[in-house]
Amino acid sequence: EVRLVESGGGLVQPGGSLKLSCAGSGFFFSSYEMIWVRQAPGKGLEWVSYIRSGSTAMYYAESVKGRFTISRDSAKNSLSLQMSSLRAEDTAVYYCARVESPAANIDNWGQGTLVTVSS
Amino acid sequence: QPVLTQSSSASASLGSSVKLTCTLSSGHNTYTIAWHQQQPGKAPRYLMKIQRSGSHNKGSGVPDRFSGSSSGADRYLTISNLQSEDEADYYCETWDSNTPRVFGGGTKLNVL
Repeated sequence: EVRLVESGGGLVQPGGSLKLSCAGSGFFFSSYEMIWVRQAPGKGLEWVSYIRSGSTAMYYAESVKGRFTISRDSAKNSLSLQMSSLRAEDTAVYYCARVESPAANIDNWGQGTLVTVSS
Repeated sequence: QPVLTQSSSASASLGSSVKLTCTLSSGHNTYTIAWHQQQPGKAPRYLMKIQRSGSHNKGSGVPDRFSGSSSGADRYLTISNLQSEDEADYYCETWDSNTPRVFGGGTKLNVL
C-alpha cells in the first residue's frame, strides 16, 4: 500500500522559516516524480513545487519562487520543502503527492500538514 | 498554459446521477485530465484520469458508480446512484511540459 505521511507543519511568524517533510512507503520512491500542493482555508488546490525523479529538475509556482526549496532523499524515501520568508498568504494545508509516471497525473496524496503564518 | 474551468457547485438527489464537467482552455482540448475527490475535512483522493478519447483509468478502490468520458474540450465525471458520502469537492488536474500542474477551481457537489 502506498503511504505518504507529511510532518513539520505548525505556527510560524511572518518572515520565518519552516521545513516540511514527507515520508513515502509502499513503493519505489526514487522512481517517482513528487509534488507539493497546498490548500488555503476554504480555497481550492494550488501546486507549489515539483521535483523529478533523481532530482534532475525542480519547478516552483511563481507565488513561492525564490522562497521555497524542494528536495528529496531517495535513500530515506523522503521529500522535503524548505520554506522561508513566509507570508500570511502561505497559510494552508500542505499536501505531498506522488505523480503516477513521468509527466502524468497525481495518483496518491498524503494526509496533509497545516502551516499557519501569523504573528 | 492550459486552464481548467469547473462549475462552482452542483446538486443532485440521493440515488440519482450527476455529471460534472471540466473544460480545457482553447488549444488544449487534446489533454488528459485527472479527477480528484475531497470529502469534507479530508485529503484529496485520486479517482481517475480521462484521455481525449474518453478512455479512463480508475484509481484503486474507486467504486464502479464513478465513470469518465470526454467530448471535445470537456472531460466528464459521472457519478451514478449517488450516496451521501459522494458529497464532496471535486477537482480536475492537468499538466504539460511547460506547466507542471494545473488545477480547476473545484466543484462542490451537494447530495440532496
